[in-house]
Amino acid sequence: EVQLLESGGDLVQPGGSLRLSCAASGFTFNINDMSWVRQAPGKGLEWVSILSVKGGNTYYADSVKGRFTISRDNSKNTLYLQMNSLRAEDTGIYYCSKGGWLEYWGQGTLVTVSS
Amino acid sequence: DIQMTQSPSSLSASVGDRVTITCRASQGIRNDLGWYQQKPGKAPKRLIYAASSFQSGVPSRFSGSGSGTEFTLTISSLQPEDFATYYCLQHNSFPYTFGQGTKLEIK
Repeated sequence: EVQLLESGGDLVQPGGSLRLSCAASGFTFNINDMSWVRQAPGKGLEWVSILSVKGGNTYYADSVKGRFTISRDNSKNTLYLQMNSLRAEDTGIYYCSKGGWLEYWGQGTLVTVSS
Repeated sequence: DIQMTQSPSSLSASVGDRVTITCRASQGIRNDLGWYQQKPGKAPKRLIYAASSFQSGVPSRFSGSGSGTEFTLTISSLQPEDFATYYCLQHNSFPYTFGQGTKLEIK
């Protein structure tokens, strides 16, 4: 059974940093693309980033480019999202997902950016 | 960036009704589209991939169709557990983009 467990969400001040983690199990992690998606309170889904297995290519939404970095540790079956220069509009639930086609999702972790 | 225009934004229907949700892409995306269902307080769940392929375990009353710029999700006979918000996602080119969502409510 595929399981994705996000962690690391917290309350952080504007301009601060946070690193999210996503522990994966139930599938061969190192041959799958992995993605992050977020959802602001009461709003729709927003695609954030993907880390491709082929070539380790990374792609980002314009809204986070230059501030967020996606990475993975295949030895730990874990995906990360390093978030710097956080803004109020980054507040929301962050989901990790298996594959570029978002086949399976974790339950999410809440990030709140507020002073 | 590819814009996904989803309609309607909300829909009231009754158990047993047939409903259709539409997504239009601002440019052709072949069949690089998925449909997702989200219930309050829960993570989204994929229903359809490649525009018309069924995700394993999804009831057969859900179906998807379309290619290029116009796509539809149809629920043939609404069940009580189907009342949720539905999203389309294009994964043809970066950045990937979601539709705005359709909230399906009980009439």
